[in-house]
Amino acid sequence: DAGVTQSPTHLIKTRGQQVTLRCSPKSGHDTVSWYQQALGQGPQFIFQYYEEEERQRGNFPDRFSGHQFPNYSSELNVNALLLGDSALYLCASRSRPTMNTEAFFGQGTRLTVV
Amino acid sequence: AQTVTQSQPEMSVQEAETVTLSCTYDTSESNYYLFWYKQPPSRQMILVIRQEAYKQQNATENRFSVNFQKAAKSFSLKISDSQLGDTAMYFCAFMNGGSQGNLIFGKGTKLSVKP
Repeated sequence: DAGVTQSPTHLIKTRGQQVTLRCSPKSGHDTVSWYQQALGQGPQFIFQYYEEEERQRGNFPDRFSGHQFPNYSSELNVNALLLGDSALYLCASRSRPTMNTEAFFGQGTRLTVV
Repeated sequence: AQTVTQSQPEMSVQEAETVTLSCTYDTSESNYYLFWYKQPPSRQMILVIRQEAYKQQNATENRFSVNFQKAAKSFSLKISDSQLGDTAMYFCAFMNGGSQGNLIFGKGTKLSVKP
């Protein structure tokens, strides 16, 4: 059983560009959350998707947007990249949007903005 | 707003010894969950242990146990018989019962287990 998979593992972008990160949840999971982890910091919640809708959002600007597909996979899009967007982006999935189920994390996408 | 504080940026322990990692949190909620996650160099977050706020008994998972002091808003992790594979970043995390799964993390503690 594949766990949470994220692609790509690393990428480098230039300031002002746009980027799309992808996440496939663990089998049987229908809820996907995205986190940004800056160097030396703990992860910060970006948003959560369930039933193809954004259900909750953290304190991130509108440049950060997402999407969830009918197969529960998800994308994170970041427009007009800034140097400060350089971070590890983690995807987490769970079976339902409740606190009673464990969140499983992927290995992340390391984004470097130059 | 809830906050999670880990006051120990780095710690080290000799193999087979015991180490305790500290975590404090701030919330006005009564229904919440607390977690310790491990992040090895592979970057993947792995759940170590969880504690429901309504449970008075401290959670244990093999060599890992917590000291949950609700009134003091303290949630420390004790690792017994430390192993080289325990070397990793450890993050304390909070989840409000009504937040639908949004985790709030501390800044982490880098634990090094030395042979």
